[in-house]
Amino acid sequence: AQKITQTQPGMFVQEKEAVTLDCTYDTSDQSYGLFWYKQPSSGEMIFLIYQGSYDEQNATEGRYSLNFQKARKSANLVISASQLGDSAMYFCAMREGYNQGGKLIFGQGTELSVKP
Amino acid sequence: SAVISQKPSRDICQRGTSLTIQCQVDSQVTMMFWYRQQPGQSLTLIATANQGSEATYESGFVIDKFPISRPNLTFSTLTVSNMSPEDSSIYLCSVRKGASYNEQFFGPGTRLTVL
Repeated sequence: AQKITQTQPGMFVQEKEAVTLDCTYDTSDQSYGLFWYKQPSSGEMIFLIYQGSYDEQNATEGRYSLNFQKARKSANLVISASQLGDSAMYFCAMREGYNQGGKLIFGQGTELSVKP
Repeated sequence: SAVISQKPSRDICQRGTSLTIQCQVDSQVTMMFWYRQQPGQSLTLIATANQGSEATYESGFVIDKFPISRPNLTFSTLTVSNMSPEDSSIYLCSVRKGASYNEQFFGPGTRLTVL
């Protein structure tokens, strides 16, 4: 069965520094997608970045980049130049299959606190 | 991206009553989904809302408790029936969109408290 593991319940980072949030996954599928979402205290889920299993390059979106290591089954999120507004819960998720279904399996999340 | 709205944004309900949550998308989407996030927990898929047919429910969720409608490609409703305090959660609508269908977006959520 597919599974997502986020081992860091909470993380602290100094403003303007970079931070890496860990995510490992387990699947027997060859085709899958990996997502990162940000959830502020308001509860909305904000899509940050996507990585497909066949994508050769690591995904990047502004200050967000995904460090994809397929052999190690890890998909860590790197946030560069942290801002106070980055303080939130961050969820890693996986969807099996590229174009089938839409079920996302979520990790337990990491609460990031950015200190001034 | 996709603009997704949900109504209501939050509600406080009495046990034994039912609440219907609406999800509206700004453009037609093939796939719409309903997720639940219990307090302090991660998200769990309740069901996939299919246009023109019955919803597909995940293990542990049943139609009698969470009836879903999908009358067209931009709108869906989720009803939480015969509520108990254990139903207190954030309920989120999600759609899959984008040219390659790789992006998946969520609505702002409905924060439900059952007393």
